[in-house]
Amino acid sequence: DAGVIQSPRHEVTEMGQEVTLRCKPISGHNSLFWYRQTMMRGLELLIYFNNNVPIDDSGMPEDRFSAKMPNASFSTLKIQPSEPRDSAVYFCASNTGTGSKVADTQYFGPGTRLTVL
Amino acid sequence: DAKTTQPNSMESNEEEPVHLPCNHSTISGTDYIHWYRQLPSQGPEYVIHGLTSNVNNRMASLAIAEDRKSSTLILHRATLRDAAVYYCILRDRVQGSARQLTFGSGTQLTVLP
Repeated sequence: DAGVIQSPRHEVTEMGQEVTLRCKPISGHNSLFWYRQTMMRGLELLIYFNNNVPIDDSGMPEDRFSAKMPNASFSTLKIQPSEPRDSAVYFCASNTGTGSKVADTQYFGPGTRLTVL
Repeated sequence: DAKTTQPNSMESNEEEPVHLPCNHSTISGTDYIHWYRQLPSQGPEYVIHGLTSNVNNRMASLAIAEDRKSSTLILHRATLRDAAVYYCILRDRVQGSARQLTFGSGTQLTVLP
């Protein structure tokens, strides 16, 4: 298995531009998570999906952020318009999401390093 | 989620054992103890987890105090590749795995050659 795939790996954009980050979870996984990592705030959850349905988006900073999961093999995180404070590493993770299996490992992608100038 | 407390940083010499502590004094009876680590420029990866008994796997061992208020991740022979941030995370058994991981600040492990 190729693991969780994220693209692009690096993104540099200018303030005000739209940014779309992409994630392909591991095949057969039912839960997908978007995290953001900054020096100031560490790793924090933005949103997660279960069976393609958003379950908790309380971590999404504001309306400029949106996430979709149109099918079990693809998710996007969009920032429009982007701002310099959005600069961070964005990680996608997935697991089987079987509720009774608390030991279910989350597998993380390599991350997308976003720089907003 | 119950809170965990870890030292900000630790150092170890290569090929020596490393004991990474974690305090979780407010742990509930339904919380599992998980450890993840994040190597430089990579996403976090699972290391080990346990509930009450000590656990071993190919990566590490997990020693859990009898009262469960603390635990220790043990790397038996540290290598330079073990240099990473190690996170101790509690996960509720009842609510299960279909929830996010809540990361603290972790312990930055430096391995000296």
